[in-house]
Amino acid sequence: DAGVIQSPRHEVTEMGQEVTLRCKPISGHNSLFWYRQTMMRGLELLIYFNNNVPIDDSGMPEDRFSAKMPNASFSTLKIQPSEPRDSAVYFCASTKGQGDPPQHFGDGTRLSIL
Amino acid sequence: KQEVTQIPAALSVPEGENLVLNCSFTDSAIYNLQWFRQDPGKGLTSLLLIQSSQREQTSGRLNASLDKSSGRSTLYIAASQPGDSATYLCAVKVGSSNTGKLIFGQGTTLQVKP
Repeated sequence: DAGVIQSPRHEVTEMGQEVTLRCKPISGHNSLFWYRQTMMRGLELLIYFNNNVPIDDSGMPEDRFSAKMPNASFSTLKIQPSEPRDSAVYFCASTKGQGDPPQHFGDGTRLSIL
Repeated sequence: KQEVTQIPAALSVPEGENLVLNCSFTDSAIYNLQWFRQDPGKGLTSLLLIQSSQREQTSGRLNASLDKSSGRSTLYIAASQPGDSATYLCAVKVGSSNTGKLIFGQGTTLQVKP
């Protein structure tokens, strides 16, 4: 049973470039979460979707960040233009059903903006 | 605003010791509290979940307690092993069961020496 798959695992790019992070949730899961982890701020929720619909995007830092979930098996997090302070590890997680099922995390994308 | 604090930030113990990790939160209006484990370069793995109406949960050598009124939780690890070395994060769920989100602490990095 494949877990949450994120790509790329590592991304190094220059500031000002567009960055797209990808996530494939576990098949059958209907909620998807994007998190950012930094030493300074820890793990923060950016946005989450339920049945492909964005429910809470209050954690998205600014307009340079956008997320989409065009179908149940794919989501993207885009940063345009990227800045050095966006450097972090970005995690995607998914879960199934209502109530409190555990969130299953991907291994993350380590993003470095030079 | 809900804030979650974990003390200590790092802990080193010899193999076989029993140990306690602490987590505190500022607002007692939580839906549940969860403990996660994170290995280097990996995502999070859910360990234990305590509903707001519960006092504790156990899984193997792990026991988590919750005192909602005082805003505290502890994770007790019995007979620690080198394989327990990881970062442990606690998170509180705020909001509702279906639309709530997790607020994470900064984590405690545990090293168990053989």
